Amino acid sequence: GENVEQHPSTLSVQEGDSAVIKCTYSDSASNYFPWYKQELGKRPQLIIDIRSNVGEKKDQRIAVTLNKTAKHFSLHITETQPEDSAVYFCAATVYGNNRLAFGKGNQVVVIP
Amino acid sequence: KAGVTQTPRYLIKTRGQQVTLSCSPISGHRSVSWYQQTPGQGLQFLFEYFSETQRNKGNFPGRFSGRQFSNSRSEMNVSTLELGDSALYLCASSPDGLGNAGYTFGSGTRLTVV
Repeated sequence: GENVEQHPSTLSVQEGDSAVIKCTYSDSASNYFPWYKQELGKRPQLIIDIRSNVGEKKDQRIAVTLNKTAKHFSLHITETQPEDSAVYFCAATVYGNNRLAFGKGNQVVVIP
Repeated sequence: KAGVTQTPRYLIKTRGQQVTLSCSPISGHRSVSWYQQTPGQGLQFLFEYFSETQRNKGNFPGRFSGRQFSNSRSEMNVSTLELGDSALYLCASSPDGLGNAGYTFGSGTRLTVV
């Protein structure tokens, strides 16, 4: 089945710097790649997503890039703020299975 | 528009008991997926229901089961609870469950097995 891996598992950044989280996936037929943010004690929330026919998508301080050839996609957060501290999950569709396979999560800590 | 509602929020059960969790999706959403979240393991897929039919099932033992009603509300049941079943159980709602419209998660049910 689909295997989604996230790197690094933990990332600490100074406030104002940029953070980048990379995910790799195994199923070349995956066509939808969302990112979820989960703050402590809260539900995962969709923050940005990208489809396989697009290479990059931006929404204010966050962006996602997709490299279908290498089968990886990345989340970019610019001008990080303390409220960006959370666990971020990437996911990819499992072809024909009507579901998302999630990575194990990445803890981002923004140091004031 | 109401979000995804999961009840109860917290549960404490003893080994060997069974438990039923409930999930009400966003109005108009027909797909409900269930995930188990544990520290270090991320979100593990349990099963997905669409129009009262289970379409997909993850790699969990038969003690984990579910169903969906005609109003799209879903329940999951865990029988003969084990300590390792302690986790946050999340359900996710989507219009069609094809994974390309994004999931909206509920707040989860925190199950503790003692």
